[in-house]
Amino acid sequence: DTAVSQTPKYLVTQMGNDKSIKCEQNLGHDTMYWYKQDSKKFLKIMFSYNNKELIINETVPNRFSPKSPDKAHLNLHINSLELGDSAVYFCASSQIQGGETQYFGPGTRLLVL
Amino acid sequence: GENVEQHPSTLSVQEGDSAVIKCTYSDSASNYFPWYKQELGKGPQLIIDIRSNVGEKKDQRIAVTLNKTAKHFSLHITETQPEDSAVYFCAASPPTGNQFYFGTGTSLTVIP
Repeated sequence: DTAVSQTPKYLVTQMGNDKSIKCEQNLGHDTMYWYKQDSKKFLKIMFSYNNKELIINETVPNRFSPKSPDKAHLNLHINSLELGDSAVYFCASSQIQGGETQYFGPGTRLLVL
Repeated sequence: GENVEQHPSTLSVQEGDSAVIKCTYSDSASNYFPWYKQELGKGPQLIIDIRSNVGEKKDQRIAVTLNKTAKHFSLHITETQPEDSAVYFCAASPPTGNQFYFGTGTSLTVIP
């Protein structure tokens, strides 16, 4: 009965590879987010989708491409992985746009070698 | 855009003492201020939040205060316990758009 789930939990891969992280929420929320947390614990928003429509796209390299097949899922695909992509990636969801609690998933720990 | 500053970055307290973490924000339009606790290896979890029409909110050992004029808000944890040890994040959210602006986090250690 996990509210926001992510797979995989750990991802170790070589530089230059392409990988995907999946996120699902069963809260009935219509807005989902991807955050990146670096080694200093800074939480930085990457993308936000509302009802499958891209709302926020921060200054993220275009190697990162979010895909939302339906409002319960928001996947993150990363092309040509670089060492600097190593971080923890969190998915989150909220009920409506703005001013509502965001619920976070457990995170995906990505290590690029 | 909004800018949130959080202090201190690290905090150590003895078990049973109180802990206070402070945040300031820059956008006077921000009207929602959540606090998250992140335990090692886990995602951030909401512990308390406050809206701009309220000055203080309390939930057992945790309280949050908001000063809209000074644009700062604080998290107060009383009677700290070892299980309170974690990284705490404040955030501010403007009424339009759907973006949270997070502080840089405070690593709290409660010493038994």
